[in-house]
Amino acid sequence: DAGVTQSPTHLIKTRGQQVTLRCSPKSGHDTVSWYQQALGQGPQFIFQYYEEEERQRGNFPDRFSGHQFPNYSSELNVNALLLGDSALYLCASRAMQLSNQPQHFGDGTRLSIL
Amino acid sequence: LAKTTQPISMDSYEGQEVNITCSHNNIATNDYITWYQQFPSQGPRFIIQGYKTKVTNEVASLFIPADRKSSTLSLPRVSLSDTAVYYCLVGDRNTGFQKLVFGTGTRLLVSP
Repeated sequence: DAGVTQSPTHLIKTRGQQVTLRCSPKSGHDTVSWYQQALGQGPQFIFQYYEEEERQRGNFPDRFSGHQFPNYSSELNVNALLLGDSALYLCASRAMQLSNQPQHFGDGTRLSIL
Repeated sequence: LAKTTQPISMDSYEGQEVNITCSHNNIATNDYITWYQQFPSQGPRFIIQGYKTKVTNEVASLFIPADRKSSTLSLPRVSLSDTAVYYCLVGDRNTGFQKLVFGTGTRLLVSP
């Protein structure tokens, strides 16, 4: 049973570019959340998707957007990249009907901005 | 969401028991306490969750006093592979649209 998978594992971009990160949730999970983790810090919540809609959002600018597909997979898009966007981007999934179960995380995409 | 406070770092030796205490003075009635472990360049991994008293699983124990304003994660007989960052989180696990609020965690270093 595959857990949460993310792609790519590493990515290098330059300032001003746009990036798309992908996440496939754990089998049986229908809710996907994205987190940003800067070096030496804890993960920070970006947003959460359920039934293909953004349901909750953290304190991130509109440059950060997302999408959820009918198969529950999700994408995180970041436009006009800044040096400060360099971080590990984590995807977490859970089953909405089993809200008492913990969220499962993927191993993230390491994004470096030059 | 209740804020948590935990030590920035801890050191231990192989075979010792490690106790990491987390303070959450403003914990709400519906909040659960959850601990995650994270290795470098990996995502956080769920360790244990509890509401009150004591919870034990195959890897750790969680002790929660009656006032629930703090909790202690206990790792028995640690090994080198337990070197990681440990996060204490507090929140209502039954909330449909649940976001996890991480602090900076406790960096545990286990030495031979």
